[in-house]
Amino acid sequence: QQQVKQSPQSLIVQKGGISIINCAYENTAFDYFPWYQQFPGKGPALLIAIRPDVSEKKEGRFTISFNKSAKQFSLHIMDSQPGDSATYFCAANQAGTALIFGKGTTLSVSS
Amino acid sequence: GAVVSQHPSRVICKSGTSVKIECRSLDFQATTMFWYRQFPKQSLMLMATSNEGSKATYEQGVEKDKFLINHASLTLSTLTVTSAHPEDSSFYICSATTGQPYEQYFGPGTRLTVT
Repeated sequence: QQQVKQSPQSLIVQKGGISIINCAYENTAFDYFPWYQQFPGKGPALLIAIRPDVSEKKEGRFTISFNKSAKQFSLHIMDSQPGDSATYFCAANQAGTALIFGKGTTLSVSS
Repeated sequence: GAVVSQHPSRVICKSGTSVKIECRSLDFQATTMFWYRQFPKQSLMLMATSNEGSKATYEQGVEKDKFLINHASLTLSTLTVTSAHPEDSSFYICSATTGQPYEQYFGPGTRLTVT
């Protein structure tokens, strides 16, 4: 499988702060880059996704930044809340194929 | 949005027995379903790709005779873990595509514990 490298492995942020998670990919054929949120014992839930024709996408407190030339994309969570404490996975794929996931980032937001 | 269900949510079985996990798309027809396995504190690893009416495609290192996948209809795919062993204990998650190229929805997962 083509790799998607994710960092950091864990992250602690104060309430109200900005959480930033980064991912890098290898396969230039990938054309879909979603972020998933997963709580313990639950399946992953789609947070936000981006296609390579745009460099940034914002939905509420969540923003994806995409750098096609560097083959990197990142998730920014603004005004982080304790309820955002979860594991976040970046992923990538080509249309119709299985998603390739990063290793995940465990986010803890302290109140 | 599209809903994917899995049954059972948790199952405990004895070593050497087989267990079947169902994945259903509740409000759409899924041309393709994917099966993932997730060990504690690890990422989702793709096991196989399942297309309705055809044989599943397994990822390298996944034993097709041990993990039997059947995609008999456009709304149901099953994963049967045969002769389960404790090392098969894991969280199994399916996802389904709607036919739109980038829409993929995940089920809630099934926790398998083999004793």
